[in-house]
Amino acid sequence: GAVVSQHPSRVICKSGTSVKIECRSLDFQATTMFWYRQFPKQSLMLMATSNEGSKATYEQGVEKDKFLINHASLTLSTLTVTSAHPEDSSFYICSASSSGQGTQPQHFGDGTRLSIL
Amino acid sequence: DAKTTQPNSMESNEEEPVHLPCNHSTISGTDYIHWYRQLPSQGPEYVIHGLTSNVNNRMASLAIAEDRKSSTLILHRATLRDAAVYYCILSPRGTYKYIFGTGTRLKVLA
Repeated sequence: GAVVSQHPSRVICKSGTSVKIECRSLDFQATTMFWYRQFPKQSLMLMATSNEGSKATYEQGVEKDKFLINHASLTLSTLTVTSAHPEDSSFYICSASSSGQGTQPQHFGDGTRLSIL
Repeated sequence: DAKTTQPNSMESNEEEPVHLPCNHSTISGTDYIHWYRQLPSQGPEYVIHGLTSNVNNRMASLAIAEDRKSSTLILHRATLRDAAVYYCILSPRGTYKYIFGTGTRLKVLA
């Protein structure tokens, strides 16, 4: 149980392109979903938290107009990297939790490796 | 946000127990302790979590100090597939945010 599916697993595209990444909870309803990014040999960095039907909360230093997050249902959140540039190349990982109180663990997708040429 | 401190790396022999320590001296009374592990190019995998009492599941055991300022993840018999980066994370109740530290890279020797 508690499976989170992330799609696509890998994207290679030209600079200036917008890229959408999907995160789905397959067998549970996700009250809250999270988006992280991870650079090589570094730890995960939380980018934003999204609750179904409301605006995402972004961490300090993360541009909300650059990284658009939509959490339209209890099983789907999307991250759109707008006008991507080479510095946006990274490993993007989503997670989902059925609890908004931190009492239940987050379950992570397998990540999306984004490469901007 | 409460911070965790873990050794950068550890080694273990295959089929031997492994004790991975984590210090969290600034933990608050309602912080949950979560452990995850991450293989290269994959998302973190949930291992175990607890609040005050020791916990066991099919993957591992979690021993929490009485004052809750430290915890230890115990893998009872390490296998080569257990080689990963292990993260100890505090999750403040009510805010549900995970702040990842640098984790411990576990190497399992055949």
